[in-house]
Amino acid sequence: EAQVTQNPRYLITVTGKKLTVTCSQNMNHEYMSWYRQDPGLGLRQIYYSMNVEVTDKGDVPEGYKVSRKEKRNFPLILESPSPNQTSLYFCASSPLNIGVGSYNEQFFGPGTRLTVL
Amino acid sequence: ILNVEQSPQSLHVQEGDSTNFTCSFPSSNFYALHWYRWETAKSPEALFVMTLNGDEKKKGRISATLNTKEGYSYLYIKGSQPEDSATYLCARGGAGNMLTFGGGTRLMVKP
Repeated sequence: EAQVTQNPRYLITVTGKKLTVTCSQNMNHEYMSWYRQDPGLGLRQIYYSMNVEVTDKGDVPEGYKVSRKEKRNFPLILESPSPNQTSLYFCASSPLNIGVGSYNEQFFGPGTRLTVL
Repeated sequence: ILNVEQSPQSLHVQEGDSTNFTCSFPSSNFYALHWYRWETAKSPEALFVMTLNGDEKKKGRISATLNTKEGYSYLYIKGSQPEDSATYLCARGGAGNMLTFGGGTRLMVKP
């Protein structure tokens, strides 16, 4: 089954304790992205990756790191989590658009609800 | 600041009612407009991707139109059912794979 998986689905942690949220897709997609969803603010992009070893900042990258060592995996790293990073996080993937234009739909993971105390 | 705006933020309708909501976006440098359906505790799923001015897409009782010159898209649901209850997200596609999402419209359909 084609899917994007995320782990963990729920996490409660404390300020300053490093954590990693994993994301994996089995569709051989080049593009992967992390979003956070906060009430009233829609989905905001944190980081994205166009392919292996190619990553770039989205709209809200502060406090996050990512890596893309393999095509299928795109982990999100919070080196020193703070309470303002409490949010619902989604990973998404899609084929890379050839030329200009975002015409490929994105496939989303199930979400990770993170609470930082 | 969101430059993709959705209205209304939430909507309560009775089963059987038809409804529609709006996505507004900057019309310059337009590439694509995406609609996603997001049910509680599930992943957002794509409904439509539209690229051409005047595009109309339909999937069952749900349809969407696109006006790229004035920068808006409408999503219509005919004969709403309780299972249509969800948050509907629109996103403006930029260069490459970039998407800028609106805040969503939360639809609740009462039986």
